[in-house]
Amino acid sequence: EDQVTQSPEALRLQEGESSSLNCSYTVSGLRGLFWYRQDPGKGPEFLFTLYSAGEEKEKERLKATLTKKESFLHITAPKPEDSATYLCAVRSFGNEKLTFGTGTRLTIIP
Amino acid sequence: DGGITQSPKYLFRKEGQNVTLSCEQNLNHDAMYWYRQDPGQGLRLIYYSQIVNDFQKGDIAEGYSVSREKKESFPLTVTSAQKNPTAFYLCASSIAPNYGYTFGSGTRLTVV
Repeated sequence: EDQVTQSPEALRLQEGESSSLNCSYTVSGLRGLFWYRQDPGKGPEFLFTLYSAGEEKEKERLKATLTKKESFLHITAPKPEDSATYLCAVRSFGNEKLTFGTGTRLTIIP
Repeated sequence: DGGITQSPKYLFRKEGQNVTLSCEQNLNHDAMYWYRQDPGQGLRLIYYSQIVNDFQKGDIAEGYSVSREKKESFPLTVTSAQKNPTAFYLCASSIAPNYGYTFGSGTRLTVV
C-alpha cells in the first residue's frame, strides 16, 4: 500500500525567509510524484510532476526535488501570496489512483 | 477554457435525505475521481471511473453511489446511509496514468 507523510504540518515564515517542505513516501514502484497547492475553500492546483530520483522542477519561487524516498518543495524568498496548503501525492505502477499526504499549511507573514 | 465544473458550491442536507453533487469536465479525460477532504486528513478516495459505464469503489465508498453514463459527467450521490457526510468534496479527472489530476473547485456539504 502506498503511503505519503508530509512535514511539518504547519509552517510560518517571514516574508523573504526561505525554507523547505518535506514529503516522504513508500511505494512499490514510483510512477510519479505530484505537488499541488490548495487555497482555502478551493480545489488543489497542480504545481509539479516528478518521475525519477534526481529530477528537479522549478516555477517562480518554488523548486521541487526528488530522491528515492522523499521529495522536497523548496520555497525561496516567499511572499504572502505563497500562503496556502501544499499537498504531495504519489502514484505507483499498477495503481489506478493517487495517494495524498495530509499537507503542509504554509503561512507567509508580511 | 477547458476544466472541471462542480456544482453546487455549497449544499445543505437534512437527515435522511439523499443529495447529488454534480461534476462535469470538458477536458476529454477518460478517468474521473471523487475525493472527500476533512480537516487534518488527507484526501480520501470515494469512487473512480476509468471509462464510461464502469466505475470502482475507493477507500470509503459506503453510503455513496455514482454513475458514469457520459464521458463528461460523473455525479456523486450521498445517500442517507452515509452517517457523517459533512465534508468538502472534490472531483478530479486525469488524461492518463502518468499524469496527475485536474481538480474542480469543490462542493462543501453540510448536514443540518
